[in-house]
Amino acid sequence: AQKVTQAQTEISVVEKEDVTLDCVYETRDTTYYLFWYKQPPSGELVFLIRRNSFDEQNEISGRYSWNFQKSTSSFNFTITASQVVDSAVYFCALSEARLVNSGYSTLTFGKGTMLLVSP
Amino acid sequence: GAGVSQSPRYKVAKRGQDVALRCDPISGHVSLFWYQQALGQGPEFLTYFQNEAQLDKSGLPSDRFFAERPEGSVSTLKIQRTQQEDSAVYLCASSQVPGQGLAGYNEQFFGPGTRLTVL
Repeated sequence: AQKVTQAQTEISVVEKEDVTLDCVYETRDTTYYLFWYKQPPSGELVFLIRRNSFDEQNEISGRYSWNFQKSTSSFNFTITASQVVDSAVYFCALSEARLVNSGYSTLTFGKGTMLLVSP
Repeated sequence: GAGVSQSPRYKVAKRGQDVALRCDPISGHVSLFWYQQALGQGPEFLTYFQNEAQLDKSGLPSDRFFAERPEGSVSTLKIQRTQQEDSAVYLCASSQVPGQGLAGYNEQFFGPGTRLTVL
């Protein structure tokens, strides 16, 4: 069975601080995908990144960066120079990479980390 | 362009009432998912449609939950004889069917959700 653990329930930082959100996953699949989603107060889940299990290169997108460590089953997310608009709940998720004939795969989410950025 | 829309955004029901939640996926998206998000938790998979076919309903918590997508576009999640434990946000997501490659690759686009409160 798949499992995603986000041990940090809530993190509070002051604007311009860097913050790292942790994500640890469990799966028996050798091929899988990892995701981060942002859920602002409006409720809609906003896709941030997808990473497949074959690609352990770290990725940077503006103030966001992701550190994928297959050896420790972790996929951590860092926000550099945080801003008030970054305040939201962030979810890490895991998806099996099923064969195309099955046509779909579902997402297994962690419980989320609420990030509060104060001015 | 239009994203995934859901209605109503908020629904209050008395225990024992039946409710119907609507999802309008992105036009042309063949795959449609329903998730349930309890307070302080991550979304959990309920059911999956490919066109009008319900291929997976393994996440539906009881036989009081029923989903349909009769014409392969709009979907309705119905909950009969609602209970307090049904209180949650119900999220709908749609994605394209994979043409090539692994099924896990396709990004799911989420709607804003329907917040159901059962009194």
